[in-house]
Amino acid sequence: SQQGEEDPQALSIQEGENATMNCSYKTSINNLQWYRQNSGRGLVHLILIRSNEREKHSGRLRVTLDTSKKSSSLLITASRAADTASYFCATVSSGYALNFGKGTSLLVTP
Amino acid sequence: ETGVTQTPRHLVMGMTNKKSLKCEQHLGHNAMYWYKQSAKKPLELMFVYSLEERVENNSVPSRFSPECPNSSHLFLHLHTLQPEDSALYLCASSQQATQGKAFFGQGTRLTVV
Repeated sequence: SQQGEEDPQALSIQEGENATMNCSYKTSINNLQWYRQNSGRGLVHLILIRSNEREKHSGRLRVTLDTSKKSSSLLITASRAADTASYFCATVSSGYALNFGKGTSLLVTP
Repeated sequence: ETGVTQTPRHLVMGMTNKKSLKCEQHLGHNAMYWYKQSAKKPLELMFVYSLEERVENNSVPSRFSPECPNSSHLFLHLHTLQPEDSALYLCASSQQATQGKAFFGQGTRLTVV
């Protein structure tokens, strides 16, 4: 069943700008993960944040988690054309698998 | 590459055909998954295998039949599919079924005609 809901559905920015995507979810989670997908390809894991963490960094990526609001954000700083892709949040609750949202489609223009 | 390989990359099949999708992981993971990705929909979990045992089946029609002969290989057998089954089918693996990071294959783009 769908858990994460990304916002906005589509985002268009210029190279060098920052891109922020948000994710809201409905039930309590063990962790939340962000993935990237280039058109028609598989998903690539970007970052995992546990329910007891509030912020995490990886290179140009910054993820925050607010469990009281059941929301997370992904910030990509100094974006590049190569960052053009769809970005998905996925939650892990009970059960065996990741629950994905519909994704945010990011377009970075030169 | 992620260490998860899917074949074929593209498949066109008629509604009366029988075909199989194959997934292989070289990561030593214990859990493998099939997901379906349709346009404008979230990824839908289809099946989960942990240590070669099916542990989750998400109300998937019987025209999709999974098989996990060992922890490195996962198949999805297809028969008498419908046009609405056309989608990108993604295989993934993770260390354990109760979830950390998942590694995805490149997917099989299936078109049912």
